[in-house]
Amino acid sequence: NAGVTQTPKFQVLKTGQSMTLQCAQDMNHNSMYWYRQDPGMGLRLIYYSASEGTTDKGEVPNGYNVSRLNKREFSLRLESAAPSQTSVYFCASMTGTNTEAFFGQGTRLTVV
Amino acid sequence: QKEVEQDPGPLSVPEGAIVSLNCTYSNSAFQYFMWYRQYSRKGPELLMYTYSSGNKEDGRFTAQVDKSSKYISLFIRDSQPSDSATYLCAMTKPNSGNTPLVFGKGTRLSVIA
Repeated sequence: NAGVTQTPKFQVLKTGQSMTLQCAQDMNHNSMYWYRQDPGMGLRLIYYSASEGTTDKGEVPNGYNVSRLNKREFSLRLESAAPSQTSVYFCASMTGTNTEAFFGQGTRLTVV
Repeated sequence: QKEVEQDPGPLSVPEGAIVSLNCTYSNSAFQYFMWYRQYSRKGPELLMYTYSSGNKEDGRFTAQVDKSSKYISLFIRDSQPSDSATYLCAMTKPNSGNTPLVFGKGTRLSVIA
C-alpha cells in the first residue's frame, strides 16, 4: 500500500533552472495538495486541487505552477528556480470527509 | 493574526513526564481538529482527530478541544523517547468541499531518556 509517493527525494538546482516535482496517490482521493516546509514557518500551502481538472492557489503560489494530470497525479513545477525556493516540499491527498490528509515523504530541494 | 497559533517550542522533557501541547485559533467556523506527528525527515502523519468539544483518548494521548475559548490541546502521558518529534495542530471547516487544512507551525518535542 504505497499511499502518496513523491519523486525525487532530493534535488539540487542552479538558480534559473526548471524542474517538476511528481506526486501520485493510490487511495482514490479527490483532493491533492502541495506544501512547503521551512524552519520556523510550518507547512505553507502552495497550490491545491479539490478534484481532477481544478487547481487553486494557496498561501505562497508565486514562482510555482501545478498540473492535475489525472485523479492520481498532481505535479508541481518550478519554471525558474530561485534560492528562496530552497525548502522541503510535501505532497498530500485528503479523504472525502475532510478529516485526514496523507502526506508523502517529501522532496528536499536546494537551489544554489 | 494568523488563523492558527501554536507554541513553537522547542520543548524538552524527561522520560515519563506529562506533555501538554497547545494551539489557539481565531476562526469560529473551524469544527474539525487534528494533531499530526512528524518525525525528522519524514512526512506528517495523523495522530488524532476530533470534531467536538471535550476530550478524546487514544492510549497515552488525549486530545482536548474547547470551542468557547478557541483552544485545543494534546496531552501525552508517560512520554517516551520515541515520542520525540514535531507535533502540528490542524483544523478545517465541515462540509468545506475539500478546502485545505490550516496548520499550526508545529512544536518540536524532545523526550530525554
